[in-house]
Order: sequence, then structure tokens, then C-alpha cells
Amino acid sequence: DIQMTQSPSTLSASVGDRVTITCRASQSIRSWLAWYQQKPGKAPKLLIYKASSLESGVPSRFSGSGSGTEFTLTISSLQPDDFATYFCQQYNSSFYTFGQGTKLEI
Amino acid sequence: QITLKESGPTLVKPTQTLTLTCSFSGFSLSARGVGVGWIRQPAGKALEWLALIYWDEDKRYSPSLKSRLTITKDTSKNQVVLTMTNMDPVDTATYYCARRIAVAGIPSGFDIWGEGTMISVSS
Repeated sequence: DIQMTQSPSTLSASVGDRVTITCRASQSIRSWLAWYQQKPGKAPKLLIYKASSLESGVPSRFSGSGSGTEFTLTISSLQPDDFATYFCQQYNSSFYTFGQGTKLEI
Repeated sequence: QITLKESGPTLVKPTQTLTLTCSFSGFSLSARGVGVGWIRQPAGKALEWLALIYWDEDKRYSPSLKSRLTITKDTSKNQVVLTMTNMDPVDTATYYCARRIAVAGIPSGFDIWGEGTMISVSS
């Protein structure tokens, strides 16, 4: 099984900050990685697919990069609505795997 | 408008079988590249992918749960059904169904999710 490890688990930041979340795969997943945002009591929302493709309707302050085993999600200037938990997910293999999540808090 | 909605019991007893239905609208599960998957999330914990069924009837299961899961689709009813046998209190979680598509042949993640249904396992 491919394991996904996110870091950090918790990230404290302020409005206007630039933040980066990292996701590492236990083996190469090429570019088959997605990023999701989840707010309490809500379903996850797709932000990025294929490592760097922005989902329609997602603000351009979100960006993704990486390939192989190391990936990053960057938020260029944090907005109040961005405080949430973020998950990465690989879909390279026939079996999908999520990371453990990064909680972005004030 | 594309929507998915999960339905099923809110409470099941240990050793029982859970049957969840995902009813969707706004897309067809017979269209090439489309899939519907199930994901669960215990309270305060990470997401766990369970199963996925594709437009062509291909089915994929989480290796750790494969022996307990069955996913099927009824294209005419726009429904996907997940059964999970031998339920245990550790299976208590919110269960989501979600759509997976391929855009210009490029697979995306799960782009549209249902609101989730909370399942408790207790005697």
C-alpha cells in the first residue's frame, strides 16, 4: 500500500501569511495527487488535482506543486475562510490513500 | 446541478451488515471516466477511502477492508450501494460518497461529495 504523510499536523498562521503544507508518498505516485479542504461538519472540497491543476472555482491563491514522492500545497495569502483542515490524496495506484490531515489554525 | 446523497441506518449492532445507498443526480455513471466512491471519517480523524466503482463496472476496494466490502451500481436508478459486513464499534464514522471523473482523460480526485451520513455501531 502507498502511505501518505502530511506535515505539519497543525499549522498556526495569520491572515495574509503565505503557508505551505507538505505531503510525502511512500513510493512514486507521479503526479496523481489531489488536495482537499475540509471545514468542521462539512464534506471535503477538492482544491487541486494532478498535483498542480486548480479545480474550477477555487481561488488562485491556492497552488500545488511536486511530482514523484514530494508535494506541496501553498496558500499565497491566507484569508479568514482558509482556516480549515487540508488533506492530500494519492490516486496513482488502484487504491486511493489519504494523508492524515493538516489543521490550519489562527 | 450535480448532487450526491447518502442514505442508510444511523445505528447498527456489532456483527451486523451495513448497507449504504448513494443516490446521485446531474451525471451518468455510464459515462466514460466516471466513478463513484465511498470514503469514511471517524470523528476528529482522517479520511479513509473504502471503495470505488467505475462506469465500466470495474471495482476497487481498500486492501485492509476488501473482505468486508461490496460495491454495486444501478445505472438506471442512479444509485451506488456499499455493503460492509461484520460491523464493529471501530467502524463508527461519517460515511461519504463522492464522484470521480476524468477531465480530458486526466483523472481528477473526488470532485463532488455528498453531505455524509453518520453511522454508529453499538449494541
